[in-house]
Amino acid sequence: QKEVEQNSGPLSVPEGAIASLNCTYSDRVSQSFFWYRQYSGKSPELIMSIYSNGDKEDGRFTAQLNKASQYVSLLIRDSQPSDSATYLCAVNRVAGNNRKLIWGLGTSLAVNP
Amino acid sequence: DGGITQSPKYLFRKEGQNVTLSCEQNLNHDAMYWYRQDPGQGLRLIYYSQIVNDFQKGDIAEGYSVSREKKESFPLTVTSAQKNPTAFYLCASVDRGKNEQYFGPGTRLTVT
Repeated sequence: QKEVEQNSGPLSVPEGAIASLNCTYSDRVSQSFFWYRQYSGKSPELIMSIYSNGDKEDGRFTAQLNKASQYVSLLIRDSQPSDSATYLCAVNRVAGNNRKLIWGLGTSLAVNP
Repeated sequence: DGGITQSPKYLFRKEGQNVTLSCEQNLNHDAMYWYRQDPGQGLRLIYYSQIVNDFQKGDIAEGYSVSREKKESFPLTVTSAQKNPTAFYLCASVDRGKNEQYFGPGTRLTVT
Protein backbone atom coordinates (compact mmCIF):
# COMPACT_ATOMS: atom_id res chain seq x y z
CA GLN A 1 0.00 0.00 0.00
CA LYS A 2 1.36 3.41 -0.99
CA GLU A 3 1.57 5.95 1.81
CA VAL A 4 -0.43 8.51 -0.16
CA GLU A 5 -2.75 7.27 -2.89
CA GLN A 6 -4.56 9.13 -5.61
CA ASN A 7 -6.42 7.98 -8.69
CA SER A 8 -4.16 8.75 -11.63
CA GLY A 9 -7.03 9.73 -13.90
CA PRO A 10 -7.45 11.31 -16.25
CA LEU A 11 -10.53 12.82 -14.69
CA SER A 12 -12.55 14.56 -17.35
CA VAL A 13 -15.30 17.06 -16.51
CA PRO A 14 -17.24 19.58 -18.59
CA GLU A 15 -16.69 23.28 -18.07
CA GLY A 16 -18.81 24.59 -15.20
CA ALA A 17 -19.09 21.23 -13.44
CA ILE A 18 -17.67 20.24 -10.05
CA ALA A 19 -14.41 18.29 -10.15
CA SER A 20 -13.80 15.98 -7.19
CA LEU A 21 -10.28 14.79 -6.46
CA ASN A 22 -9.57 12.22 -3.77
CA CYS A 23 -6.58 11.18 -1.70
CA THR A 24 -6.08 8.56 1.01
CA TYR A 25 -3.12 8.26 3.34
CA SER A 26 -1.81 5.52 5.59
CA ASP A 27 -0.08 7.32 8.50
CA ARG A 28 -2.69 7.96 11.20
CA VAL A 29 -0.55 10.53 13.02
CA SER A 30 -0.34 12.89 10.02
CA GLN A 31 -1.58 16.37 10.93
CA SER A 32 -1.05 18.54 7.84
CA PHE A 33 -2.45 18.01 4.36
CA PHE A 34 -1.84 19.88 1.15
CA TRP A 35 -3.12 20.13 -2.39
CA TYR A 36 -0.83 21.33 -5.16
CA ARG A 37 -1.60 22.07 -8.80
CA GLN A 38 1.04 21.34 -11.43
CA TYR A 39 0.71 22.47 -15.01
CA SER A 40 2.64 20.51 -17.62
CA GLY A 41 6.30 21.48 -17.57
CA LYS A 42 5.92 23.73 -14.52
CA SER A 43 6.61 23.40 -10.82
CA PRO A 44 3.87 22.55 -8.27
CA GLU A 45 1.87 25.43 -6.85
CA LEU A 46 0.21 25.25 -3.44
CA ILE A 47 -3.58 25.57 -3.68
CA MET A 48 -4.88 24.54 -0.28
CA SER A 49 -3.66 23.41 3.10
CA ILE A 50 -5.91 21.81 5.71
CA TYR A 51 -5.14 20.78 9.26
CA SER A 52 -8.50 20.08 10.95
CA ASN A 53 -11.37 17.74 10.18
CA GLY A 54 -14.09 19.29 8.06
CA ASP A 55 -14.19 21.63 5.11
CA LYS A 56 -12.01 24.58 4.19
CA GLU A 57 -13.11 26.85 1.37
CA ASP A 58 -11.04 29.27 -0.71
CA GLY A 59 -12.79 30.72 -3.72
CA ARG A 60 -13.81 27.90 -6.04
CA PHE A 61 -11.75 25.37 -4.09
CA THR A 62 -12.88 23.35 -1.08
CA ALA A 63 -10.63 20.93 0.77
CA GLN A 64 -12.27 18.26 2.92
CA LEU A 65 -10.48 16.27 5.61
CA ASN A 66 -11.64 13.17 7.46
CA LYS A 67 -8.87 11.91 9.74
CA ALA A 68 -10.89 8.94 10.97
CA SER A 69 -11.19 7.66 7.42
CA GLN A 70 -7.69 8.93 6.48
CA TYR A 71 -9.14 10.73 3.53
CA VAL A 72 -8.66 14.19 2.08
CA SER A 73 -10.39 15.57 -0.99
CA LEU A 74 -10.39 18.67 -3.17
CA LEU A 75 -13.51 20.01 -4.84
CA ILE A 76 -13.27 22.51 -7.66
CA ARG A 77 -16.55 24.28 -8.36
CA ASP A 78 -17.39 25.90 -11.69
CA SER A 79 -14.43 24.14 -13.33
CA GLN A 80 -12.64 26.10 -16.01
CA PRO A 81 -10.37 24.89 -18.83
CA SER A 82 -7.54 26.69 -17.01
CA ASP A 83 -8.00 24.19 -14.14
CA SER A 84 -6.72 21.42 -16.43
CA ALA A 85 -3.57 20.22 -14.68
CA THR A 86 -2.23 17.48 -12.44
CA TYR A 87 -3.28 17.80 -8.80
CA LEU A 88 -0.88 16.47 -6.18
CA CYS A 89 -1.87 15.49 -2.67
CA ALA A 90 0.82 15.74 0.03
CA VAL A 91 0.81 14.69 3.67
CA ASN A 92 3.24 15.92 6.30
CA ARG A 93 5.40 13.42 8.17
CA VAL A 94 7.20 14.47 11.32
CA ALA A 95 9.97 12.31 12.76
CA GLY A 96 11.67 14.05 15.64
CA ASN A 97 12.93 17.38 14.35
CA ASN A 98 12.71 16.28 10.73
CA ARG A 99 9.69 17.16 8.65
CA LYS A 100 8.98 16.12 5.11
CA LEU A 101 6.05 15.72 2.79
CA ILE A 102 4.90 12.38 1.44
CA TRP A 103 3.52 12.84 -2.07
CA GLY A 104 0.86 11.10 -4.08
CA LEU A 105 1.49 10.51 -7.77
CA GLY A 106 -1.17 13.01 -8.77
CA THR A 107 -4.51 13.03 -10.55
CA SER A 108 -4.69 14.47 -14.05
CA LEU A 109 -7.74 16.70 -14.55
CA ALA A 110 -9.08 17.74 -17.95
CA VAL A 111 -11.83 20.37 -18.09
CA ASN A 112 -13.54 20.32 -21.45
CA PRO A 113 -15.00 23.54 -22.93
CA ASP B 1 9.81 40.53 -4.47
CA GLY B 2 10.02 37.39 -2.35
CA GLY B 3 10.41 33.95 -3.78
CA ILE B 4 12.53 30.99 -4.72
CA THR B 5 14.82 31.10 -7.72
CA GLN B 6 16.48 28.23 -9.50
CA SER B 7 19.03 28.56 -12.21
CA PRO B 8 19.46 27.75 -14.94
CA LYS B 9 16.05 26.76 -16.31
CA TYR B 10 17.59 24.30 -18.77
CA LEU B 11 20.96 22.61 -18.40
CA PHE B 12 22.77 20.26 -20.74
CA ARG B 13 25.78 18.21 -19.75
CA LYS B 14 27.85 15.36 -21.04
CA GLU B 15 27.92 12.09 -19.18
CA GLY B 16 30.71 11.94 -16.61
CA GLN B 17 30.55 15.63 -15.68
CA ASN B 18 29.45 16.94 -12.32
CA VAL B 19 26.92 19.76 -12.40
CA THR B 20 25.63 22.10 -9.69
CA LEU B 21 22.07 23.39 -9.63
CA SER B 22 21.39 26.64 -7.83
CA CYS B 23 18.52 27.33 -5.43
CA GLU B 24 18.09 30.64 -3.61
CA GLN B 25 15.23 31.92 -1.45
CA ASN B 26 14.55 35.27 0.21
CA LEU B 27 11.51 34.12 2.19
CA ASN B 28 13.50 33.70 5.40
CA HIS B 29 12.53 30.02 5.48
CA ASP B 30 14.66 27.71 7.59
CA ALA B 31 14.04 24.46 5.74
CA MET B 32 14.82 23.69 2.11
CA TYR B 33 14.29 20.60 -0.02
CA TRP B 34 15.45 19.08 -3.31
CA TYR B 35 13.24 16.79 -5.39
CA ARG B 36 13.50 15.20 -8.77
CA GLN B 37 10.55 14.44 -11.00
CA ASP B 38 10.61 12.04 -13.93
CA PRO B 39 7.93 11.90 -16.63
CA GLY B 40 4.74 10.36 -15.28
CA GLN B 41 6.23 9.94 -11.83
CA GLY B 42 5.78 11.63 -8.53
CA LEU B 43 8.16 13.83 -6.60
CA ARG B 44 11.10 12.00 -5.06
CA LEU B 45 13.06 13.57 -2.24
CA ILE B 46 16.81 13.82 -2.75
CA TYR B 47 18.08 15.88 0.22
CA TYR B 48 16.64 18.31 2.72
CA SER B 49 17.96 20.77 5.23
CA GLN B 50 16.10 21.97 8.31
CA ILE B 51 18.75 24.49 9.34
CA VAL B 52 22.01 26.04 8.19
CA ASN B 53 25.03 23.68 8.21
CA ASP B 54 22.83 20.61 8.55
CA PHE B 55 21.13 18.38 5.97
CA GLN B 56 19.67 14.89 5.69
CA LYS B 57 19.46 12.34 2.91
CA GLY B 58 16.11 11.80 1.31
CA ASP B 59 14.88 8.70 -0.47
CA ILE B 60 17.23 8.88 -3.47
CA ALA B 61 20.41 10.64 -2.28
CA GLU B 62 22.91 8.37 -4.05
CA GLY B 63 24.90 10.27 -6.66
CA TYR B 64 23.96 13.68 -5.27
CA SER B 65 25.54 16.07 -2.77
CA VAL B 66 24.39 19.32 -1.14
CA SER B 67 25.66 22.08 1.10
CA ARG B 68 23.85 24.59 3.31
CA GLU B 69 26.32 27.30 4.25
CA LYS B 70 23.75 30.11 4.14
CA LYS B 71 20.08 30.19 5.04
CA GLU B 72 19.20 31.55 1.62
CA SER B 73 21.04 28.99 -0.48
CA PHE B 74 20.87 25.21 -0.95
CA PRO B 75 22.84 24.12 -4.05
CA LEU B 76 22.59 20.57 -5.36
CA THR B 77 25.46 18.83 -7.13
CA VAL B 78 24.62 16.00 -9.49
CA THR B 79 27.73 13.86 -9.64
CA SER B 80 28.91 11.47 -12.31
CA ALA B 81 27.93 8.65 -9.95
CA GLN B 82 24.24 9.36 -10.52
CA LYS B 83 23.16 6.71 -13.03
CA ASN B 84 20.13 8.46 -14.52
CA PRO B 85 20.59 12.19 -13.96
CA THR B 86 18.25 13.44 -16.70
CA ALA B 87 15.19 14.79 -14.87
CA PHE B 88 13.28 17.86 -13.74
CA TYR B 89 14.83 19.12 -10.49
CA LEU B 90 12.71 21.08 -8.04
CA CYS B 91 13.80 23.06 -5.01
CA ALA B 92 11.38 24.03 -2.26
CA SER B 93 11.47 25.96 0.98
CA VAL B 94 9.14 25.67 3.93
CA ASP B 95 7.21 28.09 6.02
CA ARG B 96 7.59 26.09 9.21
CA GLY B 97 4.79 27.86 10.98
CA LYS B 98 2.36 26.37 8.46
CA ASN B 99 4.48 23.46 7.17
CA GLU B 100 3.74 24.72 3.67
CA GLN B 101 6.29 24.02 0.94
CA TYR B 102 6.81 26.54 -1.84
CA PHE B 103 8.60 25.58 -5.03
CA GLY B 104 11.02 27.30 -7.33
CA PRO B 105 10.46 27.12 -11.11
CA GLY B 106 12.69 24.07 -11.51
CA THR B 107 15.75 23.14 -13.56
CA ARG B 108 15.44 20.66 -16.40
CA LEU B 109 18.73 18.74 -16.65
CA THR B 110 19.60 16.70 -19.69
CA VAL B 111 22.70 14.51 -19.65
CA THR B 112 23.82 12.82 -22.87
